[in-house]
Amino acid sequence: DAGVTQSPTHLIKTRGQQVTLRCSPKSGHDTVSWYQQALGQGPQFIFQYYEEEERQRGNFPDRFSGHQFPNYSSELNVNALLLGDSALYLCASSPGRDEQYFGPGTRLTVT
Amino acid sequence: QKEVEQDPGPLSVPEGAIVSLNCTYSNSAFQYFMWYRQYSRKGPELLMYTYSSGNKEDGRFTAQVDKSSKYISLFIRDSQPSDSATYLCAMTVTNTDKLIFGTGTRLQVFP
Repeated sequence: DAGVTQSPTHLIKTRGQQVTLRCSPKSGHDTVSWYQQALGQGPQFIFQYYEEEERQRGNFPDRFSGHQFPNYSSELNVNALLLGDSALYLCASSPGRDEQYFGPGTRLTVT
Repeated sequence: QKEVEQDPGPLSVPEGAIVSLNCTYSNSAFQYFMWYRQYSRKGPELLMYTYSSGNKEDGRFTAQVDKSSKYISLFIRDSQPSDSATYLCAMTVTNTDKLIFGTGTRLQVFP
C-alpha cells in the first residue's frame, strides 16, 4: 500500500513566480492537509481539504491556495513567491479523522 | 507564548540509554496527542497517537500524557543510533482538526 506521495521532490523558483505542488493521499484517506516547515521549526498548518472543499485554514495569506480533486488528490498553489516562502511543504492525509500521515515533502527554494 | 513548547536540544545520549522527550502546552482544549519522528530532509513519521491521560506503549516507545499538568512525554528504551532524528510533538483539539506542532527536539544516539 503506497503511502502519501508528493511531487516534485525539489523545486527552485524566482521571486514573483508561481508554483504548484501535488499530493496523492494514502489509499482510503479522503482528507488532505498542507503544512509549511521552515528550517529548524515544526510544521505550520496551511489548510485542509475534505470533499473537495477547504475545511480549515491557517494563518497564511491568500497567495496560498489549494484544490482537492474527486480522487482525493490535492494541489497547493503559491503565487507571487517571496524569499520567505522557501521551506519544506508537507502534505498529510487522514481517513476523515484521527491520525495524519505525512508525505516526504517538497523542498521549495525561492531565489 | 507559543501554544506548544518543546526544547530544541540537541540531546546526545549513548546507545542503550533511556531517552525522555517532553512538551508542554497552554491550550487546555487539546485532546489528541501525537509524536512524530523526522529524519533529516524527510517527512514526519507517526510514532504514537494518544487520546486520554496515562501511558501508551509500543515496542521501545512509551507515550505519556498528563492533561492536568499540560505535559506530554515520549520515552525511548534501549536507544539505538538509528533513533537519531528530530522528534516532534503535535496536538489537536478534535480528531479532524489541524495539528499544532512543537519545534522538535533533535536527538543524537552515539555508539
